Amino acid sequence: DAGVIQSPRHEVTEMGQEVTLRCKPISGHNSLFWYRQTMMRGLELLIYFNNNVPIDDSGMPEDRFSAKMPNASFSTLKIQPSEPRDSAVYFCASSRRTSGGQETQYFGPGTRLLVL
Amino acid sequence: GDSVTQMEGPVTLSEEAFLTINCTYTATGYPSLFWYVQYPGEGLQLLLKATKADDKGSNKGFEATYRKETTSFHLEKGSVQVSDSAVYFCALSDGGGNKLTFGTGTQLKVEL
Repeated sequence: DAGVIQSPRHEVTEMGQEVTLRCKPISGHNSLFWYRQTMMRGLELLIYFNNNVPIDDSGMPEDRFSAKMPNASFSTLKIQPSEPRDSAVYFCASSRRTSGGQETQYFGPGTRLLVL
Repeated sequence: GDSVTQMEGPVTLSEEAFLTINCTYTATGYPSLFWYVQYPGEGLQLLLKATKADDKGSNKGFEATYRKETTSFHLEKGSVQVSDSAVYFCALSDGGGNKLTFGTGTQLKVEL
């Protein structure tokens, strides 16, 4: 299996621009998670989906952030407009949720975002 | 709410030294506990896990025991290698296993 795939791996943009991060979960996984990692705040869960439905978006910083999962094999995290404080590494993770609970989360390599 | 506290790094050791990275947690219910490792420029990889009290997770020479009485899940390895240099994250999941709460991470540097 190719693992969780994220694109782009690096993104440099200017303040005010729209940024779209993409994630392809592992085939067969039905839960998807978006995390943000910064030096100041560590790893934070932004939002997660079960069966393509957003379950908990309480970690989304503000309305400038939005996430979608149109199908089981693709998700996007969009920031519009972007600000310098959004600079971070954004990770996508996926897992399989069964009647017994959530199985191990597998992380993608991350997208390193720099907003100038 | 749930929280995880890890010892601050960086931890610098010589090759073949004994490693302990402390982790304690606060949670309601009965969480599962995890150690993840992050190598430079990469995402997090699951190192080991334990799902109930007194369970011992182990992998690649690392081990950790779920201690409910002390709410701890300390990571240990008897003899570290240079290739173990990475950042180690302790984490817990809620009862439903939906959300992972991470500690701040501990950077380990192993020198020859």
